[in-house]
Amino acid sequence: SYVLTQPFSVSVAPGKTARITCGGNNIGSKSVHWYQQKPGQAPVVVIYYDTDRPSGIPERFSGSNSGNTATLTISRVEAGDEADYYCQVWDSSSDHYVFGTGTKVTVL
Amino acid sequence: QVQLVESGGGLVKPGGSLRLSCAASGFTFSDDYMSWIRQAPGKGLEWISYISSSSSYTNYADSVKGRFTISRDNAKNSLYLQMSSLRAEDTAVYYCAREPVHRRGNFDYWGQGTLVTVSS
Repeated sequence: SYVLTQPFSVSVAPGKTARITCGGNNIGSKSVHWYQQKPGQAPVVVIYYDTDRPSGIPERFSGSNSGNTATLTISRVEAGDEADYYCQVWDSSSDHYVFGTGTKVTVL
Repeated sequence: QVQLVESGGGLVKPGGSLRLSCAASGFTFSDDYMSWIRQAPGKGLEWISYISSSSSYTNYADSVKGRFTISRDNAKNSLYLQMSSLRAEDTAVYYCAREPVHRRGNFDYWGQGTLVTVSS
C-alpha cells in the first residue's frame, strides 16, 4: 500500500515561513491535497491539486509537488496557523485514499 | 450552505455492531462521492471507505474490509456505515466527507464527527 511520510512536528516563529514535507514514492505523479486540523475540529482543506487554494484560504498557504516530495509552505506564520496538517492522495493502484502521518505545527 | 451531520456513535462491546448515519444538506447529494474517515484518539486520519454517487462503486481500507459496509440513500440525502465485528482498535471519531464531482480526489466538506468507543 502507498505510504505518505511527514515530519512529526515543525516549530516556527511568528512571521517566519513553515515548510511541511510529505514524502511518497513518485508522489510528483499524483495530485496532493493538504488539510489543516485544529484541536476538536474537523479537518479543512487548505491546498488541493498540489497548488490550488480554496476560497477563504489565505494566500500565505501554498503548495508544490515534485519527485518524491510534496511541500506545504505557510508564509508569514501567525498564531492561528498552529494546528495539525495532513497531506493526502488518491492511490490509483489500490483505489484507496491515503493520508500522511500528520505534522504538528507549533508557533513559538 | 453545505452541511454534513453524523449520528449513531456510542459505546459498544467488542464483537458488537453499530450503524452510523450522515445527513447531508445544502448541495446535490446524488452528484458526489462520499467517504468515511476516522481518527483514533490522539492519532492521525485514516480513510476507511468510499461510495460513488450512484452506489455503483465502493471500496474499503484493508483494516475494515469484510466488517464494514458503506451505503447511501440519495432520496434521503443520507450516507451510512454499518459496522460489525467491532474491535477496540475501531475506537475513533468517524467523519463523513464529501468528494465533489467537480474536484475529485479530495474532501471539501466534513461533518463534525461522531465518536465510536469499543470497550467491554
